[in-house]
Amino acid sequence: GDSVTQMEGPVTLSEEACLTINCTYTATGYPSLFWYVQYPGEGLQLLLKATKADDKGSNKGFEATYRKETTSFHLEKGSVQVSDSAVYFCALSDNYKLTFGKGTLLTVNP
Amino acid sequence: EAQVTQNPRYLITVTGKKLTVTCSQNMNHEYMSWYRQDPGLGLRQIYYSMNVEVTDKGDVPEGYKVSRKEKRNFPLILESPSPNQTSLYFCASSSRLAGTGFGELFFGEGSRLTVL
Repeated sequence: GDSVTQMEGPVTLSEEACLTINCTYTATGYPSLFWYVQYPGEGLQLLLKATKADDKGSNKGFEATYRKETTSFHLEKGSVQVSDSAVYFCALSDNYKLTFGKGTLLTVNP
Repeated sequence: EAQVTQNPRYLITVTGKKLTVTCSQNMNHEYMSWYRQDPGLGLRQIYYSMNVEVTDKGDVPEGYKVSRKEKRNFPLILESPSPNQTSLYFCASSSRLAGTGFGELFFGEGSRLTVL
């Protein structure tokens, strides 16, 4: 079945550092890919998405590119802020099922 | 304001005592789903519903029931809770987009359940 593997955390960075969270997937069809973010004490919210190969999703300074050849959707940000501290989930959807990775905790220190 | 509302947000109960976690959305979404979140396991889907009176099992349905009698509501029922159902539960909803599956999933704030 479909699966998502993302790098294990926790990841701890200083403010203004570069961020990459790796995500790879296994799917039989042509899934859409997502990054969701969960701030402390809250539910998940969509950060960005890409629906086909070579699409780039972007939001709030975060970017991820749908790479079909490497089955990857890595999350990147050039300069993180303390307010980016959260848990980040990579996910894929094929038809009407959304499959999540296990999440990566990011802590950004001042 | 568009939102998914879950109740209760926190609950401590005892083994075997039936409980219901309610979920309501005000966005007229066809698709609704329940997930549980556990440390080291991420989010796992319990049940989902494509529309009124249409429900299906997710990855971890054992010990749970759902119903979808109205479009806006999707309650999660634990008929006889056990300690291994202690978890953080999320309800989510989405509109359906033809050809590309569903759109953005909107999540509730979560319900933390402890079964003693």
